[in-house]
Amino acid sequence: DIQLTQSPSYLSASIGDKITITCRASHSVSTFLNWYQQRPGRAPKVVIYEASTVQNGVPSRFSGSGSGTDFNLTISSLQPEDFATYYCQQSNGTPRTFGQGTKVEI
Amino acid sequence: EVQLLESGGDLVQPGGSLRLSCAASGFTFRTFALSWVRQAPGKGLEWVSAISANGDNTFYADSVKGRFTISRDNSKNSLSLQMNSLRVDDTAIYYCAKDSGGYESFFDYWGQGTPVAVSS
Repeated sequence: DIQLTQSPSYLSASIGDKITITCRASHSVSTFLNWYQQRPGRAPKVVIYEASTVQNGVPSRFSGSGSGTDFNLTISSLQPEDFATYYCQQSNGTPRTFGQGTKVEI
Repeated sequence: EVQLLESGGDLVQPGGSLRLSCAASGFTFRTFALSWVRQAPGKGLEWVSAISANGDNTFYADSVKGRFTISRDNSKNSLSLQMNSLRVDDTAIYYCAKDSGGYESFFDYWGQGTPVAVSS
């Protein structure tokens, strides 16, 4: 099974900051890597799919990069609604594993 | 508007059984794969099971293989998860998630979740 490791697990930041979250896969997943945002008490929602494609309706301050085993999610200027937990997930096969999550806190 | 509405979550004793359902609307149900994803209290997301669009192919996480069965009824736009031999560590919110259906394959819509608690 492909394991995904995110870093950091917690990130403290301020409004307007630029942040980057990293996801490393135990084996290559090509670009079949997605990022989800989950606010407390809510279902997750996709923000980036196929490593770098911004989902419709997601602000352009979100971007993704990477291929193979190393991926990044970047938020260029944090807004209050961005404080949430972010998960990477691979879709290169089953099981469709998730990373352990990165909580972005004020 | 795509909607996924889970139901069936409950408190059950260890070793017991439960059947979760997900009612779907707003898209052509029979053409998309679906998954169950769970989240234990205070923990991360765990993919549990998936089923192909026509129901012919099913997939399971090792943690539930042999105990859970995923199924779908394309005539009723309904997804189910039969959970047997439940364990305390199956306690979680269970989400139904729709596959995007494209080459890239991601979960583009999620339900609000249904809680399952396994405890004596």
